[in-house]
Amino acid sequence: DARVTQTPRDKVTEMGQEVTMRCQPILGHNTVFWYRQTMMQGLELLAYFRNRAPLDDSGMPKDRFSAEMPDATLATLKIQPSEPRDSAVYFCASGFGVGDTQYFGPGTRLTVL
Amino acid sequence: DQQVKQNSPSLSVQEGRISILNCDYTNSMFDYFLWYKKYPAEGPTFLISISSIKDKNEDGRFTVFLNKSAKHLSLHIVPSQPGDSAVYFCAASGGSNYKLTFGKGTLLTVNP
Repeated sequence: DARVTQTPRDKVTEMGQEVTMRCQPILGHNTVFWYRQTMMQGLELLAYFRNRAPLDDSGMPKDRFSAEMPDATLATLKIQPSEPRDSAVYFCASGFGVGDTQYFGPGTRLTVL
Repeated sequence: DQQVKQNSPSLSVQEGRISILNCDYTNSMFDYFLWYKKYPAEGPTFLISISSIKDKNEDGRFTVFLNKSAKHLSLHIVPSQPGDSAVYFCAASGGSNYKLTFGKGTLLTVNP
């Protein structure tokens, strides 16, 4: 049963600290997405990759967020420095195409104190 | 500019009855539509999809209807079960190179 995995599942940190979230997409999927879910905004698309190349990261605050795919089995989302307003659940999803069905991981719940 | 709208934040139905979740869109370029279900502390799970060349797609208790002229789709769950209680997201895309646009979700509660 192939699924997207994310680590850590929960992260509590203090303001100013660096946070790194990791995602392993489903093997064979060539498109990876990072979303953030908040009560006010619903699911916000932060960035996405196709064949490991970044296609669009316009949803991310550029000064503190960065997303990379070091290899086909790992995507990372980094926040440095973290702020309380970054507290949210961050989801990774993967699929065969940008507009095709996406399969989501369980999410990382981030709390910045 | 919210291109995919789910106007009902919540819906409550009795077990065994029909649940109807609605979604409206504004972008006429959208041609692929999906519904996701999300339980607390889990990621959204793909439920059912429909292409714009069809007006209905069925999978067990779940049926999605698409009305292109009204730019409206709906998800019917018959019969509803308590395990269906979750947040349902509608999503749409304009082709395989265009990202999915999600609605803000509708919380469905199915009462025993």
